[in-house]
Amino acid sequence: GENVEQHPSTLSVQEGDSAVIKCTYSDSASNYFPWYKQELGKGPQLIIDIRSNVGEKKDQRIAVTLNKTAKHFSLHITETQPEDSAVYFCAASNPAYNDMRFGAGTRLTVKP
Amino acid sequence: GAGVSQSPSNKVTEKGKDVELRCDPISGHTALYWYRQSLGQGLEFLIYFQGNSAPDKSGLPSDRFSAERTGGSVSTLTIQRTQQEDSAVYLCASSFFQGQAYGYTFGSGTRLTVV
Repeated sequence: GENVEQHPSTLSVQEGDSAVIKCTYSDSASNYFPWYKQELGKGPQLIIDIRSNVGEKKDQRIAVTLNKTAKHFSLHITETQPEDSAVYFCAASNPAYNDMRFGAGTRLTVKP
Repeated sequence: GAGVSQSPSNKVTEKGKDVELRCDPISGHTALYWYRQSLGQGLEFLIYFQGNSAPDKSGLPSDRFSAERTGGSVSTLTIQRTQQEDSAVYLCASSFFQGQAYGYTFGSGTRLTVV
């Protein structure tokens, strides 16, 4: 089945710096890759997604890149702010399975 | 509604008791999922409902866990004879699905503590 690995598990950056979180997936049939942000005491919230027919997508300070050949995708956050501090999860959706497979999460801390 | 609603937000129960967790998905979302998140951990898939199809129960950890979805809308997750290892946050999510996947909308979860 699909296996999603996420790195790093924790990431600490200074306010204004960039943050990059990387995920790899195992099944080349996966074709949809969302990213979620989870703040303390809340459920994960979808922040950006990308489909396999696109290599890059950007929304203000966040962007996602996808390399289908290498089977990895990354989340990029530029000009980080303290409110970006949260746990971020990547996921991969494979048409052969009913559920998305999630990475283990990255705890991002943005220091003022 | 505006989002996925889960109740209760917190539940403390004694070991051996049964609990019911409720999820009210976004109107029009045909897919509904239950996940479990243990403290500081990732998301563990439990069960999936899609329209009127038979649910995918492949993630349920034991036969003490069951779920139903009535009328294609509200879902209830039931845990019988709760154990301490059942303590976790139970998250419900719903999604629109039409030929391809879309992102989930999660509720805020039910924090279950078994004492």
